[in-house]
Amino acid sequence: SQQGEEDPQALSIQEGENATMNCSYKTSINNLQWYRQNSGRGLVHLILIRSNEREKHSGRLRVTLDTSKKSSSLLITASRAADTASYFCATDATSWGKFQFGAGTQVVVTP
Amino acid sequence: DAGVTQSPTHLIKTRGQHVTLRCSPISGHKSVSWYQQVLGQGPQFIFQYYEKEERGRGNFPDRFSARQFPNYSSELNVNALLLGDSALYLCASSWGLAEETQYFGPGTRLLVL
Repeated sequence: SQQGEEDPQALSIQEGENATMNCSYKTSINNLQWYRQNSGRGLVHLILIRSNEREKHSGRLRVTLDTSKKSSSLLITASRAADTASYFCATDATSWGKFQFGAGTQVVVTP
Repeated sequence: DAGVTQSPTHLIKTRGQHVTLRCSPISGHKSVSWYQQVLGQGPQFIFQYYEKEERGRGNFPDRFSARQFPNYSSELNVNALLLGDSALYLCASSWGLAEETQYFGPGTRLLVL
């Protein structure tokens, strides 16, 4: 079973627009991470937010975490065609690295 | 430095056969985890190995097994293949057992006919 559920399942935007996707999870977590996957290849780590943090930034990425609602959001600002990928949230409730991934949000950025 | 490497990149097998997938972690990383990703879904945790011992197991049948070697590379074995085993198998490595970030390899795409 998958811990996280991403929303929306798919997102289509134009270059320069912002893309927002959400992740909800079921159990208490130690941290939540976002990964990107291009065309069914390996996952690339984007950002990690710990359970005691509310917001984090990395370049054009902004992640928020609301542990009371068990949800997180990933915002990509000023999107580029190269941002076209699937984005997954992963939660770690064990603190020993057993990640549970959601089903992902497929983002398409058109020039 | 090389990232996580996996071999082979693609594999076609028939039902009932056995398959062995290989993973080499980033140099210095002692923990290797395996994930199965079926088309259209997120990765599902299969195993984690640290210092050559199994430290975690996901909800997979006994047909799935793995091991880690003294050089920290790892093998995932799947016996009696089923059509449903067709997936992308991802290996991830991290320095320690409780590392927060795992680094993923490109995966092995397995097709079972």
